[in-house]
Amino acid sequence: NAGVTQTPKFQVLKTGQSMTLQCAQDMNHNSMYWYRQDPGMGLRLIYYSASEGTTDKGEVPNGYNVSRLNKREFSLRLESAAPSQTSVYFCASSPGRTSGGLQETQYFGPGTRLLVL
Amino acid sequence: KQEVTQIPAALSVPEGENLVLNCSFTDSAIYNLQWFRQDPGKGLTSLLLIQSSQREQTSGRLNASLDKSSGRSTLYIAASQPGDSATYLCAVYAGNMLTFGGGTRLMVKP
Repeated sequence: NAGVTQTPKFQVLKTGQSMTLQCAQDMNHNSMYWYRQDPGMGLRLIYYSASEGTTDKGEVPNGYNVSRLNKREFSLRLESAAPSQTSVYFCASSPGRTSGGLQETQYFGPGTRLLVL
Repeated sequence: KQEVTQIPAALSVPEGENLVLNCSFTDSAIYNLQWFRQDPGKGLTSLLLIQSSQREQTSGRLNASLDKSSGRSTLYIAASQPGDSATYLCAVYAGNMLTFGGGTRLMVKP
């Protein structure tokens, strides 16, 4: 049981290049999330997928696109990278809501460190 | 817009001390509050989750409390150890989002 895995671990891009960050979970979770973590800004939600087949914008979606490929996988794409997108990107997953309507905790991957020059 | 603040930003204590980390949030309409631990260069690990109807949760040497009406939570760590050194993050769940505080960087000196 690997939990949440992310690839790559580290990437350097030039301004204008594109790339896709991959995330997979093996916990049969319904919900998946992409965050970025920046010094002094904390973690901020980029996009989330409450369930397979749905995606929604978070707090900072500009410059990103996402795809919920199946229940296991949720990818984040930078179409034209900018230096402002230099950050550490975390993927997370969660079972979602319990039968009683309570929101369950999120499980985080190890992160992808992205440097845009 | 929900805002989450953690005080202090950094804390250094000798081993064995009991300590309290503070978290405050601006909008009390939350589903739950969570405390996470983050080690340098690593992802986040969930420590405790308090549902909005609960007042506290305990796990081992950790105890977290929630006062929704005042918009505050505390994380109490008993008998601190060097292995507790990490950044502790508080996050509140409202709407469909977790909103994080900036974290408290804790160092426990042997």
